[in-house]
This record gives sequence, C-alpha cells and structure tokens, in this order.
Amino acid sequence: DGGITQSPKYLFRKEGQNVTLSCEQNLNHDAMYWYRQDPGQGLRLIYYSQIVNDFQKGDIAEGYSVSREKKESFPLTVTSAQKNPTAFYLCASSDRGRRTEAFFGQGTRLTVV
Amino acid sequence: AQSVTQPDIHITVSEGASLELRCNYSYGATPYLFWYVQSPGQGLQLLLKYFSGDTLVQGIKGFEAEFKRSQSSFNLRKPSVHWSDAAEYFCAVSPPLTKIIFGSGTRLSIRP
Repeated sequence: DGGITQSPKYLFRKEGQNVTLSCEQNLNHDAMYWYRQDPGQGLRLIYYSQIVNDFQKGDIAEGYSVSREKKESFPLTVTSAQKNPTAFYLCASSDRGRRTEAFFGQGTRLTVV
Repeated sequence: AQSVTQPDIHITVSEGASLELRCNYSYGATPYLFWYVQSPGQGLQLLLKYFSGDTLVQGIKGFEAEFKRSQSSFNLRKPSVHWSDAAEYFCAVSPPLTKIIFGSGTRLSIRP
C-alpha cells in the first residue's frame, strides 16, 4: 500500500541532544512538508521541499534542519538550538502541481527532558 | 499573500444537531481547497476537496462543503453529528506549485 511513514511514534531525548525524525513516502510525490503542532494550536510549517536537493524554510525553521537527498525521504533534525522542542511533529507529502491533496503520516511525539 | 482563516477556535454541538464550520481564504484565483480532520494524537485525514466544477462537494463520513467564490468561503457542513465526529478540523488551500496553507483549526466537541 502507498503511504507516508513517520518513525518513531514516540521519541524521548535529553535536553541538548540533536534528534532526527524520519519521514518516508512511497507515493512518488515531489513535495514534502514538516509541521509542528502544539496543544491547542494549529499546524506550523517548519520546512518544505518541492523537489529533491531543494528545500525552503517555513514559518518556524529556527533550530531545525532538513535534507532531501532522495525523493522518498525527508528527515527532520531537531537541534539543540531549538528552545522548546517538545511537540507533535507531522510530515506530509503531495504531488506538486497536480490536483491532489496532502497525505499525512501519523506523527511523532517528541519529548525532551 | 495567501491565507486561510477559521474564525471559530472551539465549537460544541449536541449529538444529532447540524454542524457548520467556517473557512475563509485569501487568494487571487480559484485555489484548490480542502478540509481535513484530526483525531487526538493522529495525523490528518482528508474529508473532501474542491478543485473546480460543482461548488457543493461531498466527502467522507457524511460531510459536505460549499465553495462560494463571492464570499471567499469554503464552509464544512454535516446535517447530523455523531459523538465520533469530535475532533480537530482544518481547512487548507493549495495554490498550484507552491506550499499548502492551513487554517488554525476548529476543535469540535459533541454534547451528549
């Protein structure tokens, strides 16, 4: 089945450590996105990529980094520079330029202690 | 700049009552419009989408939405809500060849 997979579902890290969240899709989508969601808040865009080897900052990119070396993969690194990293992270993909919706992964809940 | 506004942060309706969630967008042309639903701790699931044609679109779970160009709105409706409809609902606009823009969401609670 085609879809988008985020792993792990739950992640715990100590303060000051970098952590990488995985996002893989087998939908052959060009565009991929990372969103952060905090309780009672909507989706805030961290980074997005429209094509391999290219990505753009979203609204809250500070303290995060991404790479897009393969079409199917868009990992997000939460660095120690991110002041409040505990949150729910959602990855999505879409078929850039075509009339299709975004498909979402099930999310990763990151807790930094 | 493109934007999506969901003016209602939280709505409570009684089970069996009708529902309307509001969504207004700002975009120069007719965008692609979507409604998503999110259960707690889960990803987003597409309810319905509008690209062109008939302005009343039907979705899953008995939801429908109506595109009104004159009002720049894409409101979500359901004639009779069920307790299982309690969730967060997001409206989104997708201008061609650029990033998807989401509204801030409306949390729906169902009163028994």
